Amino acid sequence: GAVVSQHPSWVICKSGTSVKIECRSLDFQATTMFWYRQFPKQSLMLMATSNEGSKATYEQGVEKDKFLINHASLTLSTLTVTSAHPEDSSFYICSADLSGGGGEKLFFGSGTQLSVL
Amino acid sequence: QKEVEQDPGPLSVPEGAIVSLNCTYSNSAFQYFMWYRQYSRKGPELLMYTYSSGNKEDGRFTAQVDKSSKYISLFIRDSQPSDSATYLCAMSTGGGNKLTFGTGTQLKVEL
Repeated sequence: GAVVSQHPSWVICKSGTSVKIECRSLDFQATTMFWYRQFPKQSLMLMATSNEGSKATYEQGVEKDKFLINHASLTLSTLTVTSAHPEDSSFYICSADLSGGGGEKLFFGSGTQLSVL
Repeated sequence: QKEVEQDPGPLSVPEGAIVSLNCTYSNSAFQYFMWYRQYSRKGPELLMYTYSSGNKEDGRFTAQVDKSSKYISLFIRDSQPSDSATYLCAMSTGGGNKLTFGTGTQLKVEL
């Protein structure tokens, strides 16, 4: 199946610093990528939809100035957590859409565990 | 009320048992139904994908969708210790691949 690479897999940072997470589709072009956040023993919550060449669409309650998303090419989307605080500590997962259909062509990255001290 | 309800478990079964995992939902607009397997601190892996109501079988896995009851199930036959993971149901209306996930059920298959 298609491969989505997410980097880094684990990051620790100090409160107030910014962290960038990369999501790459390795063997296909993805017009649309999605960013999710998952707290322990909880569901994946969609944060935003990232479209190549345009502004991301954020879900209700997600601060667009805090979670900056850039989708500059068809194979790369980045999520930058700005001025991170301990409450931002979570597992962040990206996914890439291969076809634009109902979900069968949606591939997930391996996730990034962010710990803010 | 959450859009998708899923018992978080944990569910512990002996090796070889048949496992039944379920989700209920409230949004009648959902048309695409998926089951993902997620190992600890990894991204979800698609197991089954079903459109609308009906059954779908793939090896040891069977997915069932009953739209009239807003209820979906995943059955795992001859469960193995390697099946130990968290199983997430997910649904979409079909527009743009925005998925709504259940909380996941933690499954442990014991020797």
